[in-house]
Amino acid sequence: RKEVEQDPGPFNVPEGATVAFNCTYSNSASQSFFWYRQDCRKEPKLLMSVYSSGNEDGRFTAQLNRASQYISLLIRDSKLSDSATYLCVVRRGYALNFGKGTSLLVTP
Amino acid sequence: ETGVTQSPTHLIKTRGQQVTLRCSSQSGHNTVSWYQQALGQGPQFIFQYYREEENGRGNFPPRFSGLQFPNYSSELNVNALELDDSALYLCASSLGGSGTDTQYFGPGTRLTVL
Repeated sequence: RKEVEQDPGPFNVPEGATVAFNCTYSNSASQSFFWYRQDCRKEPKLLMSVYSSGNEDGRFTAQLNRASQYISLLIRDSKLSDSATYLCVVRRGYALNFGKGTSLLVTP
Repeated sequence: ETGVTQSPTHLIKTRGQQVTLRCSSQSGHNTVSWYQQALGQGPQFIFQYYREEENGRGNFPPRFSGLQFPNYSSELNVNALELDDSALYLCASSLGGSGTDTQYFGPGTRLTVL
């Protein structure tokens, strides 16, 4: 079983839609949690860290449920520029463990 | 931009050859991590170097080796290349060897093995 699992999509949504991504992780010793964004053929970039209390950054809201080992990302009012692959990332020790990514395409 | 640079940007090698990839960390960062990203997959952790010592290693064979220099730049060496080594190789720099700091990724080196 992969350490981090996420639905690969693709998610095709119209501009202005709300979209939610989910992710589960298998190792309860995981220490930190993140969402990264990766544009086609580019490097991953940190979108936001994820905390149990939930955190928001503009149109983006992330949530962590340690009991269920579940992480979510909500994007409100989708923009064309949000089209990318969203990577769920869990840190355990020195390594970042990435999911396969969920592909999002926002259409006009 | 993160300030992390990698060279070369693209590379084509044949099976059995050896390759060296290079990474310059962001100014002030003393830790470099290397990742392999195959097509359609998320990055996989190869290893991390902190102050010139290997700090941790993922599930990669010994033909993947590395080095970190006194200026904290780093090299990834892969011997006896296999077709499955074709991937985007990413390095990430961070400050401190505890693993708690944000890792900033470079643009990657795309390796094709024929």
